[in-house]
Amino acid sequence: AQKVTQAQTEISVVEKEDVTLDCVYETRDTTYYLFWYKQPPSGELVFLIRRNSFDEQNEISGRYSWNFQKSTSSFNFTITASQVVDSAVYFCALSEAIKASGDDKIIFGKGTRLHILP
Amino acid sequence: EAQVTQNPRYLITVTGKKLTVTCSQNMNHEYMSWYRQDPGLGLRQIYYSMNVEVTDKGDVPEGYKVSRKEKRNFPLILESPSPNQTSLYFCASSLGPYSNQPQHFGDGTRLSIL
Repeated sequence: AQKVTQAQTEISVVEKEDVTLDCVYETRDTTYYLFWYKQPPSGELVFLIRRNSFDEQNEISGRYSWNFQKSTSSFNFTITASQVVDSAVYFCALSEAIKASGDDKIIFGKGTRLHILP
Repeated sequence: EAQVTQNPRYLITVTGKKLTVTCSQNMNHEYMSWYRQDPGLGLRQIYYSMNVEVTDKGDVPEGYKVSRKEKRNFPLILESPSPNQTSLYFCASSLGPYSNQPQHFGDGTRLSIL
């Protein structure tokens, strides 16, 4: 069955430090998609990145980077030189492309609340 | 402007009084979904729809109903709300009939069932 684990419930770092948010997933399928979403204190949910299971290249977008490792079933998110505006809850999510079970659910992790302290 | 619109944004009601939360998207998206967000539990999918007249249960469908009569609308119905349905609800839509595309979320509806 699908499962997404974000073991870090809450993290606090001082501004300008680097921080990594962990995401570990479980799936039976060989084709699947992983996502990260951000929920700032204002409450909206914002899409950050999508990665399919065949693309293990790491991605960098400004201060954000993602490390996808199929060998460890992980899709970790690093913020470099963190800023107060990065304070938010971050969710990792999984979608399986081959619907052997017949369903098409999306499974979210429980989220990691990140506090960037000035 | 491309958006997912939920109404109402806030609602306080009493146990057993039927309510509907509307959701509408203007992006011609096929996949639509409802989630609830509870402290410590993250986002959990309630129902989803891959297209008109096609709906399926997510992980926590008990106590909820949905319908998809038009592509743009996906209302969430609580026929007999109970206090354990007090939560923050999000509607979302995405391109294509499957869940493998980024979700566009509404602003959320905070429901309190007394």
